[in-house]
Amino acid sequence: DARVTQTPRHKVTEMGQEVTMRCQPILGHNTVFWYRQTMMQGLELLAYFRNRAPLDDSGMPKDRFSAEMPDATLATLKIQPSEPRDSAVYFCASRQGDYGYTFGSGTRLTVV
Amino acid sequence: SQQGEEDPQALSIQEGENATMNCSYKTSINNLQWYRQNSGRGLVHLILIRSNEREKHSGRLRVTLDTSKKSSSLLITASRAADTASYFCATDFNDYKLSFGAGTTVTVRA
Repeated sequence: DARVTQTPRHKVTEMGQEVTMRCQPILGHNTVFWYRQTMMQGLELLAYFRNRAPLDDSGMPKDRFSAEMPDATLATLKIQPSEPRDSAVYFCASRQGDYGYTFGSGTRLTVV
Repeated sequence: SQQGEEDPQALSIQEGENATMNCSYKTSINNLQWYRQNSGRGLVHLILIRSNEREKHSGRLRVTLDTSKKSSSLLITASRAADTASYFCATDFNDYKLSFGAGTTVTVRA
């Protein structure tokens, strides 16, 4: 089965450090999403791309978060500087057309 | 909010029983989807129902959609321990991004 691959699976970092999360979407899927999941807020859409172009990043704190898709096989989500409130599980998902999403296994981020 | 809202928040049933959970939403949709999330894992797509469909089946899953009431239900028949998970409905409002509800946590007791 085709998979969305996320790295790293776990990340513990100190407050103020830069964090980069990576995602390899399914080949041929033209829409890529970044979601964040916390107990309090549930699943929040941070950003998404179609054909590598950013369409909506209104869910991201712009001052510290950035999302890019340098090529069709890689999407990145960067936090600089990280804060304890950024601790969450970050999911990447990809989609072709209006079919269901395929999610990655997530990156569990802990900022101490 | 455009998010779907699931009901109940939590459900505990005996193995072999059926589990039903509901989802309500607020505005017109293109389609509605159901996902399952096992503890510590990513979400897995279960079923998609389009706005012009009323019912869909997939194995032991049955989904209904009532656009006049802006609601959907997910029925899991003959539940198994492996069905223990959180279930989320997600609504697509024609812009290809999904809004997720808070989920229903289902526990199937052996």
